[in-house]
This record gives sequence, structure tokens and C-alpha cells, in this order.
Amino acid sequence: QSALTQPASVSGSPGQSIAISCTGTSSDVGGYNYVSWYRQHPGKAPQLMIYDVSNRPSGVSNRFSGSKSGNTASLTISGLQAEDEADYYCSSYTSSSTLPYVFGTGTKVTVL
Amino acid sequence: QVQLVQSGAEVKKPGASVKVSCKASGYTFTSYGFSWMRQAPGQGLEWMGWISAYNGNTKYAQKFQGRVTMTTDTSTSTAYMELRSLRSDDTAVYYCARDYYNSIRRFEIWGQGTMVTVSS
Repeated sequence: QSALTQPASVSGSPGQSIAISCTGTSSDVGGYNYVSWYRQHPGKAPQLMIYDVSNRPSGVSNRFSGSKSGNTASLTISGLQAEDEADYYCSSYTSSSTLPYVFGTGTKVTVL
Repeated sequence: QVQLVQSGAEVKKPGASVKVSCKASGYTFTSYGFSWMRQAPGQGLEWMGWISAYNGNTKYAQKFQGRVTMTTDTSTSTAYMELRSLRSDDTAVYYCARDYYNSIRRFEIWGQGTMVTVSS
């Protein structure tokens, strides 16, 4: 069992839309609808942006949306803003008894 | 408001132990659980384990099995994570986060993080 795979970096201009992928296996992303996404600004604790694949917590902008197809989940940020520049991590429940929960490798989002 | 406040930074020597606390407020402590994560300098997030504040059940990542103990104190609404036999590669920021009381699901509330430095 290892970390979920994310692209190292994604960039976009203000107002554009970007998507971040998160690839796992049928034992994690593909097997459960328990995928979450977190945003982390430098020196700060992570913040939950999406849970259970596509649900937004109260207070999170509707510019953030999540989806899943097979073993790959995606986070889409529309209307990119300067405050969206941060690291993003996906995570998932797993069927593994040795690692019941796993994070993605992380993606640095840059607003050009 | 709902918040988690962690204990302060620690500096430990290799082989020592560290115990990080996470004090909860603003909600019913025993209705939730806690997951603990860590983040080494410049690295990604790593899930370490989970404890239910409802019944004390735990689940640990195999990587930490035998070296980590997670506990809760319902009288003070505080969760604890103890890591033993520290090595230099345990240097990281350690986070607690509120989780479900009966499973590992999502982390809506996070502590501010505790920097643990392991150095001789």
C-alpha cells in the first residue's frame, strides 16, 4: 500500500479552471466513496475542501467540486483566484489492515 | 467555536519519547474520534492512526505499530499521541484532526500542529 498518485504541480491563470487527479486502486479510491480533498497554505494546517467524493463542507466555495471515475478521483477549481495557490492533497479510506487510510502525494497549484 | 489546540513544540534526542496533546472544545468530545497525521519538512501528509473518543478503539498504520500509542481523556476532552524510540526521520509537524467516532472518514477540524524535532 502506498500513497495515492497526484501530479506534482498544476498551474492556471486567474479565472481559469484547473483539475487535479488522484489515482489509486480498487482497494481505496475505486472501492469506496470516501475520498476527501484538503488545501494547505504554507505553514498552516490543512483545510477540508471536499468529502465523500463530491460534497462540500459548509463555508467552502462552490468553485470547488469533486468527482470520481473508477480508481481516479478529481478536484476541479473553477474561477481560479490568487488565494487558491496552495498544496492540495487527496485522501481515501482503504481496505488494507496495514494502512486503513492514505493520503495522496500532493499537488502544488500555482496561479500565474 | 469548535477547535483543537495542540501542545507546543518539542525537541527530543534519538531514542526518547514524545507525547503530543490535542485539547478539544466546542462540541461533545465522546461523539467523535481523532486521527493523527504528520508532515516531515517539505513533504506530504502521512496518516498515523485513529482513536475513538467514544470507546477508545484504535487503528494504527503498520509503519508505527509498536511505537505509537493514542489515548483520550474524557475528563479533560484531550487526545494524546505518544511516539517512542524517536529517530531523526520522525522530525515533523504532528497534527490531530477530528474524525468519526466509529471509523476513519474525514477531517473537518484540525489542530494547529506541533513541531517535533529529533536531534542529538
